[in-house]
Amino acid sequence: GENVEQHPSTLSVQEGDSAVIKCTYSDSASNYFPWYKQELGKRPQLIIDIRSNVGEKKDQRIAVTLNKTAKHFSLHITETQPEDSAVYFCAASPPGDYKLSFGAGTTVTVRA
Amino acid sequence: EPEVTQTPSHQVTQMGQEVILRCVPISNHLYFYWYRQILGQKVEFLVSFYNNEISEKSEIFDDQFSVERPDGSNFTLKIRSTKLEDSAMYFCASSGSGAEAFFGQGTRLTVV
Repeated sequence: GENVEQHPSTLSVQEGDSAVIKCTYSDSASNYFPWYKQELGKRPQLIIDIRSNVGEKKDQRIAVTLNKTAKHFSLHITETQPEDSAVYFCAASPPGDYKLSFGAGTTVTVRA
Repeated sequence: EPEVTQTPSHQVTQMGQEVILRCVPISNHLYFYWYRQILGQKVEFLVSFYNNEISEKSEIFDDQFSVERPDGSNFTLKIRSTKLEDSAMYFCASSGSGAEAFFGQGTRLTVV
């Protein structure tokens, strides 16, 4: 089955700086890669996703890049703000029933 | 905005007892899922459900677990005889045809 590795496990950045989280996946058939943000005690919320037919996608301060050859994808948050502090999970999904395999999560702390 | 809703938000049960966790997916969605998250760990896939049957299940989803869509709106997870290690946050999720999965707010299950 799919195995998703995520790094780093924790990330502390100064407000205004950028944050980058990296994930690798093992199943070359996976074609959908979402990112979820989870605040303490809350549900995971989809913040951005990318499909295998594109290499990059951007939504305001958030961008995701995908390298299918290397089987890795990354989340980039620019101009970080305190409200960006949360746990971020990457995930990968093969075609079919869209079940998600999650990475272990990155705890992002934005220092004011 | 449509949401996945789960009840109860917190369930405490004695070891060996049966529990039923309930979910109301987003109404026009076709794929339904249960995931669990042990405290401080990553989100783990349990089962996916499509067209009124299980499409995939993980190793965690053994004979003690079952899912049902008893009517047009509810989607339930039953754990037949709970164990201490079943204590976790259980998330229901649903997606339409586009793979984006939306999560409920979770049910925290505590087995004592």
